[in-house]
Amino acid sequence: NAGVTQTPKFRILKIGQSMTLQCTQDMNHNYMYWYRQDPGMGLKLIYYSVGAGITDKGEVPNGYNVSRSTTEDFPLRLELAAPSQTSVYFCAASGGPGTDTQYFGPGTRLTVL
Amino acid sequence: QKEVEQDPGPLSVPEGAIVSLNCTYSNSAFQYFMWYRQYSRKGPELLMYTYSSGNKEDGRFTAQVDKSSKYISLFIRDSQPSDSATYLCAMSLNFNKFYFGSGTKLNVKP
Repeated sequence: NAGVTQTPKFRILKIGQSMTLQCTQDMNHNYMYWYRQDPGMGLKLIYYSVGAGITDKGEVPNGYNVSRSTTEDFPLRLELAAPSQTSVYFCAASGGPGTDTQYFGPGTRLTVL
Repeated sequence: QKEVEQDPGPLSVPEGAIVSLNCTYSNSAFQYFMWYRQYSRKGPELLMYTYSSGNKEDGRFTAQVDKSSKYISLFIRDSQPSDSATYLCAMSLNFNKFYFGSGTKLNVKP
């Protein structure tokens, strides 16, 4: 049981490049989330999904896109990377309301130069 | 006004002390309250989850929610050096959007 896995662990992008951050969970959880964490700050929600085919914006969605074609996978797409997107990105999965399960992945450290 | 306010610390205590960590929030409709522990360069780990008001205890950890004051607390009894980490509070109306505090850094000295 791997839980939540994220790839890559580290990435350096040039301004204007694009990339996809991968997130996979093996717990069959319906709820999945993407957060970013800037140094010394809490987490800010980028996008979330309550099941396959259902996604919605969080607090800071600009510059990002997501898709959820399967229960297991929830990739985050960065288009036209900007220095303001330098951050640590965490993916999380949860069983939803009434469950005390919420698991985070190990994170992806992204630098945009 | 921020949705969630949390004192960033750092908070330094001797081993064995009782630690009190707190968050205040502005949205009275929040129903789900979580506390996470985050070690350096790791993902957050869920410690406590409370729905609505009241107390919840799990081993050395106790979470309290006071909805009338819009105030939540996490108490750690008999603190250990291994408890040294950043503690994050988070809350949500409906389990869709979670709002996090900025985290309190705790250092437990041997």
